Amino acid sequence: QQQVRQSPQSLTVWEGETAILNCSYEDSTFNYFPWYQQFPGEGPALLISISSVSDKKEDGRFTIFFNKREKKLSLHITDSQPGDSATYFCAARIGTNAYKVIFGKGTHLHVLP
Amino acid sequence: GALVYQYPRRTICKSGTSMRMECQAVGFQATSVAWYRQSPQKTFELIALSTVNSAIKYEQNFTQEKFPISHPNLSFSSMTVLNAYLEDRGLYLCGARDWGGYEQYFGPGTRLTVL
Repeated sequence: QQQVRQSPQSLTVWEGETAILNCSYEDSTFNYFPWYQQFPGEGPALLISISSVSDKKEDGRFTIFFNKREKKLSLHITDSQPGDSATYFCAARIGTNAYKVIFGKGTHLHVLP
Repeated sequence: GALVYQYPRRTICKSGTSMRMECQAVGFQATSVAWYRQSPQKTFELIALSTVNSAIKYEQNFTQEKFPISHPNLSFSSMTVLNAYLEDRGLYLCGARDWGGYEQYFGPGTRLTVL
């Protein structure tokens, strides 16, 4: 099943808290997982990505944790800022087709000041 | 850095008419270009994938007859929405990648409104 599922659909945190966004998939051929950040009126911007051979990827306040056995990953945003308020999309690249990327439906993050 | 431009950013067309949108990659060679449509509910639908030296591959529910795509060189791609109707509304996104690159970079999208 070529699907990427995200939860929660919407998440509200206070400034300074850690936001945790979840993603899961079923297709074991998925081997690369980018996360995109999208602000209203703009296209999605690549935020951080991880390969299936790694279990963690960190870039500043953004960290991906990947559990290959359970086919789950999560994006942690530490010290959340109001400017982080956006929709975050988990995506997966199909290993058998290096150019095809499947998107989840997104998590809408609100960071309250 | 890698940048992707799309134009127009917004367009309105009458039902039954056609509309062409363009995508330009700057700073890298777009050997692969994927066209997506994002619904008002934010869901992404992959329309087609165009890779240099390969035929353009359309996803189920999308056809060349409805969404003809051109990818004439490594920096440019265009797509036309023919006979647009209400269900074709949305944000059309172009995602481009270069040879051997893992990352797919998106443009800001072309928002299509159909009256």
